[in-house]
Amino acid sequence: DGGITQSPKYLFRKEGQNVTLSCEQNLNHDAMYWYRQDPGQGLRLIYYSQIVNDFQKGDIAEGYSVSREKKESFPLTVTSAQKNPTAFYLCASSMGPETEAFFGQGTRLTVV
Amino acid sequence: GESVGLHLPTLSVQEGDNSIINCAYSNSASDYFIWYKQESGKGPQFIIDIRSNMDKRQGQRVTVLLNKTVKHLSLQIAATQPGDSAVYFCAETLRDSWGKLQFGAGTQVVVTP
Repeated sequence: DGGITQSPKYLFRKEGQNVTLSCEQNLNHDAMYWYRQDPGQGLRLIYYSQIVNDFQKGDIAEGYSVSREKKESFPLTVTSAQKNPTAFYLCASSMGPETEAFFGQGTRLTVV
Repeated sequence: GESVGLHLPTLSVQEGDNSIINCAYSNSASDYFIWYKQESGKGPQFIIDIRSNMDKRQGQRVTVLLNKTVKHLSLQIAATQPGDSAVYFCAETLRDSWGKLQFGAGTQVVVTP
């Protein structure tokens, strides 16, 4: 089936650790995105990538890093510099401008 | 410490009735709009989209209306069913912004029997 796969579904991190969230798509989409969702709120853009080997900061990029070495993959690293990382993280992809974004099922990250 | 979750606006609808969910968008230059449905613990699902050169678009049981004069978007769901219970988000994007969506805060729809 075509789609976006995020893993793991649940992730626990100790304070001071970096963790990496996986996002893979087989839709042949050029653009990929990472959003953060806090309880009872909308989605906020962390990073996005329009093509391989290129990515741009979104509205809340501080404390996060990404890479885009392959078209299919756009991993997100939550670094120890992110002061409040507990949230629901959503990856999405789209074909290009003015096209719908397809979302994965999310990763819930909790700092313990 | 942990952030306190905000209470989403809630729309309570009786099964079989029509639902209308409203959204005020922020940027008058936005030219593409999408409605998403999000069930608890899942990613958003596309419902319907509309471009700024249109004021109405219909899908299966859903209609989106766009009023650019007042920057208002609405989603109408006909004959609301229990499976329609979810949080609904509107999202806007600018031309050539490569799908960078700006999301509204969302509306919780609760369908009662």
